[in-house]
Amino acid sequence: QKEVEQNSGPLSVPEGAIASLNCTYSDRVSQSFFWYRQYSGKSPELIMSIYSNGDKEDGRFTAQLNKASQYVSLLIRDSQPSDSATYLCAVNRAGGTSYGKLTFGQGTILTVHP
Amino acid sequence: KAGVTQTPRYLIKTRGQQVTLSCSPISGHRSVSWYQQTPGQGLQFLFEYFSETQRNKGNFPGRFSGRQFSNSRSEMNVSTLELGDSALYLCASSLAGPITRDTYNEQFFGPGTRLTVL
Repeated sequence: QKEVEQNSGPLSVPEGAIASLNCTYSDRVSQSFFWYRQYSGKSPELIMSIYSNGDKEDGRFTAQLNKASQYVSLLIRDSQPSDSATYLCAVNRAGGTSYGKLTFGQGTILTVHP
Repeated sequence: KAGVTQTPRYLIKTRGQQVTLSCSPISGHRSVSWYQQTPGQGLQFLFEYFSETQRNKGNFPGRFSGRQFSNSRSEMNVSTLELGDSALYLCASSLAGPITRDTYNEQFFGPGTRLTVL
């Protein structure tokens, strides 16, 4: 079982729709959860971080965390063609031997078509 | 505030050579983590430095090494290059310190160094 798994893509949604990206993790000690966006040929860009159960909203983005189910998701409302990218879920245990280590999922390619 | 910078942006080397990559973190950030990104393996953690000390290391051979200077700038070195070392090498900086605050774990990536080994 992979430590961090993302829903298989690619995911294609029409402009204006809600894009839903999912991620599960296997390590129950995980404490910090992040979503990165990576455009082709570019480096990952941090778009959301979440640490507590529940929802966290930032503009058109909402991250949802359920530690009991070991599940984290990202919703993108009013999707735009500029949202087309690979979305990476990353998890950190924090502290001890996990200093500075993010474990990434394989990424989900999102395409928003006009 | 300036972001994370990496130099060089592109490198072409041949098998057996060695290479040194440089990373300057965001001002005030004390932790630097290095990652390797390949199409097949995705993003994999190499190591992390804080206050000139390596605190964590991923599952890479000893050919991969790094260091951090007193100004938090970091370098990584790959010796005896192999074809499989061709990848995008990314560094990321974070505040990270002994103070337990969630946002201290947020990592911000530099543009990366694209290494091609021929």
